[in-house]
Amino acid sequence: KAGVTQTPRYLIKTRGQQVTLSCSPISGHRSVSWYQQTPGQGLQFLFEYFSETQRNKGNFPGRFSGRQFSNSRSEMNVSTLELGDSALYLCASSLGAALSYEQYFGPGTRLTVT
Amino acid sequence: AQTVTQSQPEMSVQEAETVTLSCTYDTSESNYYLFWYKQPPSRQMILVIRQEAYKQQNATENRFSVNFQKAAKSFSLKISDSQLGDTAMYFCAFMNRDDKIIFGKGTRLHILP
Repeated sequence: KAGVTQTPRYLIKTRGQQVTLSCSPISGHRSVSWYQQTPGQGLQFLFEYFSETQRNKGNFPGRFSGRQFSNSRSEMNVSTLELGDSALYLCASSLGAALSYEQYFGPGTRLTVT
Repeated sequence: AQTVTQSQPEMSVQEAETVTLSCTYDTSESNYYLFWYKQPPSRQMILVIRQEAYKQQNATENRFSVNFQKAAKSFSLKISDSQLGDTAMYFCAFMNRDDKIIFGKGTRLHILP
């Protein structure tokens, strides 16, 4: 069974631009969660989607948004990029909606904002 | 607010030794989940072990075991017979009943040959 895939793997953007990251979950998984990892703040939960609905959200500004499609693939969008948005963005998929289900992580997308 | 603290930013041990990674957390809730995740260099993060707070028995997964002290709000990870492949960043995480997950800052573990 294929693992969680994220595209693109690396991305360089300029301040003020917007970016869309994609995550394809493991086949059969209906929950996708997104995380931001930075050296300073560590790992922080962004949001979780289950069956195309956002069921949970972390403490991030509204510039961070996401969606999930009927095939469970998910996209994350960051608008008006800031230097502080430079990070590794991880997505994880799981069978069930609760985060207590085992999550399987993707390799991440490394976003650099200049 | 809930917090998770990993007091050891970095550790090094010899191969085959036993190592314990510390994690403390703060919460006023009685039911929650605790996790240890492993992030090897340039590889995907994986779940090492999970503990449900209402279960008294400490979770174990092969060479990995936890010492869960609920009253002390402590959740340490013990790795027995450490192997080179255990070299990684280890994150302790707490999840409350609202399914909000909080991670510690991580402990970078080096297993030396």
